[in-house]
Amino acid sequence: QVQLVQSGAEVKKPGTSVKVACKTFGYTFSNYYVQWVRQAPGQGLEWMGRINPSGGSTYNPQKFQGRITLTRDTSATTVYMELSSLRSEDTAVYYCARLFGNYFDSWGQGTLVTVSS
Amino acid sequence: DIQMTQSPSSLSASVGDRVAITCRASQTIRNFLNWYQQKPGKAPELLIYAASNLQSGVPSRFSGSGSGTDFIFTISSLQPDDFATYYCQQTYNGVTFGGGTRVEI
Repeated sequence: QVQLVQSGAEVKKPGTSVKVACKTFGYTFSNYYVQWVRQAPGQGLEWMGRINPSGGSTYNPQKFQGRITLTRDTSATTVYMELSSLRSEDTAVYYCARLFGNYFDSWGQGTLVTVSS
Repeated sequence: DIQMTQSPSSLSASVGDRVAITCRASQTIRNFLNWYQQKPGKAPELLIYAASNLQSGVPSRFSGSGSGTDFIFTISSLQPDDFATYYCQQTYNGVTFGGGTRVEI
């Protein structure tokens, strides 16, 4: 069945970068966009952008432009989200999700990224 | 950017109650509106897509309606397992989530 499995929790210092992996299983990798969403502690869901695994094109909302890099490894059926210039406000659980039609039908389990000096 | 206003932000209800949550878009989003349930420490799960379509495997006590800018999510008879936070999401132009509604039993 469709599964998205994310890499483990990270602790990072302010100003550094983090790279989160999302490995996909159970479907044709190139056929579905993968989205990234984050959730700060006790807060709501915030969309960070998406990648088309077929050609690698990406789109990110303006808030994250210049700080986020989405990539994919088609041979490994894995997508990656790298966020740079980390600050304390980036402490959050980061989720990947598959876009099916116009909704997110499968989600990764989440990766906690803690930014602390 | 399209803003999604969800209300109420929290509610308390009893088992068997009918519960309704509203979501309003800042501009028309046709029916590009989805509803998710999130339990503590878990990823969100899709309940309703395209405003009114029940995702496979989701109990029929969950339903959705609306189009354009105003949408309603309903639980017809609240069950103990429904304690969770619910989010609306628009995918008409980019992606935006509502602020969430915490449902306490």
